[in-house]
Amino acid sequence: DAKTTQPNSMESNEEEPVHLPCNHSTISGTDYIHWYRQLPSQGPEYVIHGLTSNVNNRMASLAIAEDRKSSTLILHRATLRDAAVYYCILSGKGQGAQKLVFGQGTRLTINP
Amino acid sequence: DVKVTQSSRYLVKRTGEKVFLECVQDMDHENMFWYRQDPGLGLRLIYFSYDVKMKEKGDIPEGYSVSREKKERFSLILESASTNQTSMYLCASSLWAGSEAFFGQGTRLTVV
Repeated sequence: DAKTTQPNSMESNEEEPVHLPCNHSTISGTDYIHWYRQLPSQGPEYVIHGLTSNVNNRMASLAIAEDRKSSTLILHRATLRDAAVYYCILSGKGQGAQKLVFGQGTRLTINP
Repeated sequence: DVKVTQSSRYLVKRTGEKVFLECVQDMDHENMFWYRQDPGLGLRLIYFSYDVKMKEKGDIPEGYSVSREKKERFSLILESASTNQTSMYLCASSLWAGSEAFFGQGTRLTVV
């Protein structure tokens, strides 16, 4: 299984942008890059995903390196509610490769 | 509103009991997953299923089995519960490998 590497923790200030990095040097050509976050006492929730091109949605932006060996989740203006553990995950396309395997994630702290 | 529903939020069982954790999704999703989450170990994949009656082992299948007789329902079975299976159990579903996954709220199982 392709693995991802993320920093254990990051800290930022409210209303500032946050860039959460993820390395996935063994990514295959058909692997999607997913980001999920888990708020305290809740199940993980989807944030964003992409394959090759940068992606934007109402929650965040995903910047994918040209060689796809790394990506960055961008929260444009962090709020206190964005404090969570953020997971970067690779998901394959074929049968049996559809599983989502979570790493340790990055614990994001937002300071008021 | 899309939903993944787990039958119980909290469950207490005795060592040696057979335990069923039920998960139902209403989105006609192909893929369903069972994870357990423990402090310091993150989310670990137990089993997943990509079709009715199809199942694949995840990273920690020992001591567990699963059943998927209908598309919307994925059951996790602890044949003989042990104290080291005390954990938070999370169910998820997704339409296909590249799509977002939706998680239930989790079942906190305590085996005494």
